[in-house]
Amino acid sequence: AQSVTQPDIHITVSEGASLELRCNYSYGATPYLFWYVQSPGQGLQLLLKYFSGDTLVQGIKGFEAEFKRSQSSFNLRKPSVHWSDAAEYFCAVGEAAGNKLTFGGGTRVLVKP
Amino acid sequence: GAVVSQHPSRVICKSGTSVKIECRSLDFQATTMFWYRQFPKQSLMLMATSNEGSKATYEQGVEKDKFLINHASLTLSTLTVTSAHPEDSSFYICSGVRGLYNEQFFGPGTRLTVL
Repeated sequence: AQSVTQPDIHITVSEGASLELRCNYSYGATPYLFWYVQSPGQGLQLLLKYFSGDTLVQGIKGFEAEFKRSQSSFNLRKPSVHWSDAAEYFCAVGEAAGNKLTFGGGTRVLVKP
Repeated sequence: GAVVSQHPSRVICKSGTSVKIECRSLDFQATTMFWYRQFPKQSLMLMATSNEGSKATYEQGVEKDKFLINHASLTLSTLTVTSAHPEDSSFYICSGVRGLYNEQFFGPGTRLTVL
């Protein structure tokens, strides 16, 4: 069975500083990997996804993620965070595009002024 | 991007009553819709997969007689929580899959509180 682990429950970062959110997955085949952001009162928004090809994926809002098969990781990064990046971030894995997703536990990001 | 709506956004009901939650894909046809449940400060857990015109597929441990799912059209799926109890209080989120790109789009969620 597939699973996703996000080791950090909370992360606090200063505005303008860099951010890295960790994600480790367990899946037998080539995974379809996603990062979503959830803001209060809003639905999940897709930040980026990895299906195949270049292991460094660019997403929206200045986010990027790197797929490392040897480490079973798909960490999310942003060079300089903005106060509006404060939200809950979820890593997810699916069997295929458009298939059901297994989510990690989420990481709540707080941004200090 | 594609838009998925949910109605209502919040609902409070008494224990023992039934509640229906609607999930609509507003600008695309979704042959597949998923229903997730999210407890406070926790992750999303898949409840069921809903395919238009066929019976929903429920995940292990989800009571299909308690959580009735109907996917009557390519733009509408409904989740009915029957004989709701306080432990059913949760945040219910649906998603629709846009077939052309096989992308999954999420609704804003419905917060159910059972008194």
